[in-house]
Parts: sequence; structure tokens; C-alpha cells
Amino acid sequence: QKEVEQDPGPLSVPEGAIVSLNCTYSNSAFQYFMWYRQYSRKGPELLMYTYSSGNKEDGRFTAQVDKSSKYISLFIRDSQPSDSATYLCAMSAGKGAQKLVFGQGTRLTINP
Amino acid sequence: GAVVSQHPSRVICKSGTSVKIECRSLDFQATTMFWYRQFPKQSLMLMATSNEGSKATYEQGVEKDKFLINHASLTLSTLTVTSAHPEDSSFYICSARDIGGQRGTDTQYFGPGTRLTVL
Repeated sequence: QKEVEQDPGPLSVPEGAIVSLNCTYSNSAFQYFMWYRQYSRKGPELLMYTYSSGNKEDGRFTAQVDKSSKYISLFIRDSQPSDSATYLCAMSAGKGAQKLVFGQGTRLTINP
Repeated sequence: GAVVSQHPSRVICKSGTSVKIECRSLDFQATTMFWYRQFPKQSLMLMATSNEGSKATYEQGVEKDKFLINHASLTLSTLTVTSAHPEDSSFYICSARDIGGQRGTDTQYFGPGTRLTVL
């Protein structure tokens, strides 16, 4: 079993829809949870950074962490074609120098 | 803030040659940098952790004599793929640790990646 599970998709939704992306994990030591966006042939870009359980909102993006269920989510409101990318969840047991464990990534396409 | 660059962005080389990839943190100092490789439609796999002024720590299964890492300054780490073979063809991505900064986070910021093709 992988430490982090993420549905690779692909996921295709119409412009303006609310998108929900999810990851589950097995290691209860994970405390820091991140979402990265990766465009084709580019490096990952940090979108959201969350410590422990709870919600965090940044513009159209909301990250949720439920440590009791070992489940994290990223919601994208009013999705735009420019949001089309691969979204990677990542997590670690400690801060920045700790090893990041990535999900497989979900390919998302927003159709105009 | 928290910008990381990589050079070159793309390299094609013949089998048996060595290739050096540079990773630079442009607007912050990074005591720790990381090297990943990514195969098509797959996630990032950590190869090694590089600390400035000390030897890199390699993940299990990664050959340290094949993938040489040097982190000589707080803004530069290099990965040298020695005696490259076609199976080394991949997308290599570095990241650098930014402590705090404008976002108030202590996490990794990624470079744009280097696509290596070994003929």
C-alpha cells in the first residue's frame, strides 16, 4: 500500500464548476499537508500549505485536512480553463527539511 | 519570493557522457535542497537531500556514485548524472527549502525541471 493515495483521473469539468480533489494517507505522523499545481513540462508550484487539521482558504482555493480520517481535500471554486493542470498532494511529518511524500497527481481539465 | 531556477531546461546527450544540472535559489538562501525525478504521468520520487557544506543523503535504491550531488553554497546545488544511459532519461526537478519568507511557511519550492534525454 502506498503511503499517499490519489486518484490520477483524468478529471474533466466545465468552466465555473466546483472541483474537489482528494488524497488519503496511511502515516499518522504526517502533520504538514500541501497541494501543488504542475503544468505540463514544468515544476510543481505551491498552492496551499496547511498544518494539522482544519480548513484554509486562499482566493478560489480551499484546503481541508481531516487527520482523524487521514483525508485531505482541495476545492477549486469558479474553475477556469487556466486551472487545467496536474494537482499533487504532498505531506510530511515535519517542516521544510523533512521528506515530502507525494500523491500520484490528478490530471484536471477545465472545459470552456 | 521563493523562486528556484534550473539550468539547463532541456539536455540531450549521448550514452556514456556525464551531464550536470544546476539548481539555484534566486531570492533566498537554502541550506537544504532536494533532487527528484519524475517519469511521464507519474509523481515525483525523491532521489536525495542535499545540505550545504555536507554530503548528500540518498534515498534507498539511488546510486550515489551515479548521481553526484554538490551543494557548495547556500544558493546553488548541482546534480551530475555520470555515464548516462537511456534509462536515465527523465524529468529531473530540484526544490529548495525556504524557512518562513513572505508566505510564512517552511516548505519546499520547486524549480522548473530539466528534461534529460540520453540517446
